[in-house]
Amino acid sequence: EAGVAQSPRYKIIEKRQSVAFWCNPISGHATLYWYQQILGQGPKLLIQFQNNGVVDDSQLPKDRFSAERLKGVDSTLKIQPAKLEDSAVYLCASSLTRGGAYEQFFGPGTRLTVL
Amino acid sequence: AQTVTQSQPEMSVQEAETVTLSCTYDTSESNYYLFWYKQPPSRQMILVIRQEAYKQQNATENRFSVNFQKAAKSFSLKISDSQLGDTAMYFCAFMNRFGNEKLTFGTGTRLTIIP
Repeated sequence: EAGVAQSPRYKIIEKRQSVAFWCNPISGHATLYWYQQILGQGPKLLIQFQNNGVVDDSQLPKDRFSAERLKGVDSTLKIQPAKLEDSAVYLCASSLTRGGAYEQFFGPGTRLTVL
Repeated sequence: AQTVTQSQPEMSVQEAETVTLSCTYDTSESNYYLFWYKQPPSRQMILVIRQEAYKQQNATENRFSVNFQKAAKSFSLKISDSQLGDTAMYFCAFMNRFGNEKLTFGTGTRLTIIP
């Protein structure tokens, strides 16, 4: 079974530029998550989708971050414009459905450096 | 809001020895899940073990076991017969069973197994 795929793996941009990350979850997984992991910290949930609907985006900085999950499969996370503090690893995860009984499977992450 | 605290930023142990990683959490909920995740260097985060708060029996997965003390809000991970492949960041995480079903992570413990 293929795991969660993410691209690109690394991205370096200047501040105020825009960037987009892509995630392809495990086939059949209804729930998709985007996490931000700043160096030295644990992952923080940015947004959670159930199929193509948003369940939780309370920690997403909506003035600069946006995310979508068209057709309930792939998802993209965009930052526009980027700030220095956005430097982090962006992790995508998926699970069969919502809830703690269902394991979240993580992708390899995209490491973003904002200069 | 729930918080998860890991007070040991780094630990090291000789191969084949036993090591215990500590985690405390704060919540007013009575139904929840607790998790330990492992993030090896440059590799994906994977679930190590899960505990359901309503179960009194401590979870065990092969060499990994937990000591769940609900009243004390403590959730430690014991790794027996440690192996070089156990070298990783270990994150403790919390999730409500109902309502806001999102993972809240601690800051992690970097564990190094010494040959």
